[in-house]
Parts: sequence; structure tokens; C-alpha cells
Amino acid sequence: QVQLVQSGAEVKKPGASVKVSCKASGYTFTNYAVHWVRQAPGQRLECMGWINAGNGNTKYSQKFQGRVTITRDTSASTAYMEMSSLTSEDTAVYFCARGVLPAARPDYWGQGTLVTVSS
Amino acid sequence: QTVVTQEPSFSVSPGGTVTLTCGLNSGSVSTTYYPSWFQQTPGQAPRPLIYSTNTRFSGVPDRFSGSILGNKAALTITGAQADDESDYYCVLYMGSGIWVFGGGTKLTVL
Repeated sequence: QVQLVQSGAEVKKPGASVKVSCKASGYTFTNYAVHWVRQAPGQRLECMGWINAGNGNTKYSQKFQGRVTITRDTSASTAYMEMSSLTSEDTAVYFCARGVLPAARPDYWGQGTLVTVSS
Repeated sequence: QTVVTQEPSFSVSPGGTVTLTCGLNSGSVSTTYYPSWFQQTPGQAPRPLIYSTNTRFSGVPDRFSGSILGNKAALTITGAQADDESDYYCVLYMGSGIWVFGGGTKLTVL
């Protein structure tokens, strides 16, 4: 069955960077995309961007362009999301989700990773 | 800026029918937005229910159905059960690889 397993919770200081991983199994990793979506406390889900796991092309939401980098390691069937210059407003649960190509329609989700930014 | 709108909250009686909607702050939702619906309970990942307007994901009961009603996408739950009490999110495709989520609807079954 399709599974996306994310790395554990992180606590970071303001100004730091964080890198979250998402390991996929149960499907051919390179035939799909991987989205990153965040959910701040009490807020809506917010698309950050996605990567075509086959060719490595990326698409970022304008809000996160320049501060978020999404990469993948096809040998490990794992996608990564790195965010820099963290502030308290980045405290949120970060989800990865499989995306069905070509438009990267999101379907199956990882369990989420809580990132807390606090001094 | 494109905003996807959903009712903040809704309630339904056990066994009843409820329709949640997903609209746009400007314009109408059509099948070309490929609306998808997800169910989320607190502390859990979203669970896919419906994609491309009205196609159920594998394993989703047929009491969940999707459609276009007027100028909005809609999720209808018939025969509501206690464990349907969740947050429901829609997501719309804006083109060029851009997906935008609605604010979610908190459904209470009582």
C-alpha cells in the first residue's frame, strides 16, 4: 500500500533552517510528484510547492519561493523540504503528499512533521 | 488573490444528509478545477475522499459523493455517522501546477 513516512519533530531557533524528509513506499516513486503542504495551528492547509520525482523539476508557491527548497533522492525514494530563515510564524505541521502527474494532484499523505520555531 | 471558500462549520444529525461546498471568491468552480476533497481528524493526516469532482478514492464508502452544484463544488454525505465528525477540505487546481486549499469545514454530527 502507498505509504509516506516523514521524519520526526523539530525545534529550531529563529533564523535557523530545517530539513524534513518524506520516504515513499508502495509505488514507483519516480512516476509521481511529491507535494509539501503546511498547516499552522488553527489555519488552513497551504501548498508550499512540489517536485516531479522523475525529472526533479520543481514548482513553488509564490509565498515560499526563495525560502524553500524541495529535492529528492530517487535511490532512497525520499523527498526533502528545506526551509531557511525560520520565524515563529513558521511553526506548523508540515505534510508531504503524493502528487499524481502531470498536474501533481495530491492524494496520499504522510503523517506530518511538527516544526516549532522558538527562541 | 484567489481564495477558495468553504463553510466554516456545519452540523448534521446522525443518519442525515449534508452538503458541503467549495467556491471561489471570484468566479465559478467547474470540473476544470478538478476539485478534490479530504477528511481530517485532529492530529491526523488528511485522508483522500474524492478527486476530479466526483471520483471516490479506493475504500471510500459510497455515502460520500462529489458534484458541481451551481457555481461550487460540493461534497455530499448521506446517512451521516458519528465518525464522520471531522474537518473537510477541498482543493482546486488553478493551472500551471498550482493547487489551492479551502479553509476547511468543521462538521459536527449530533
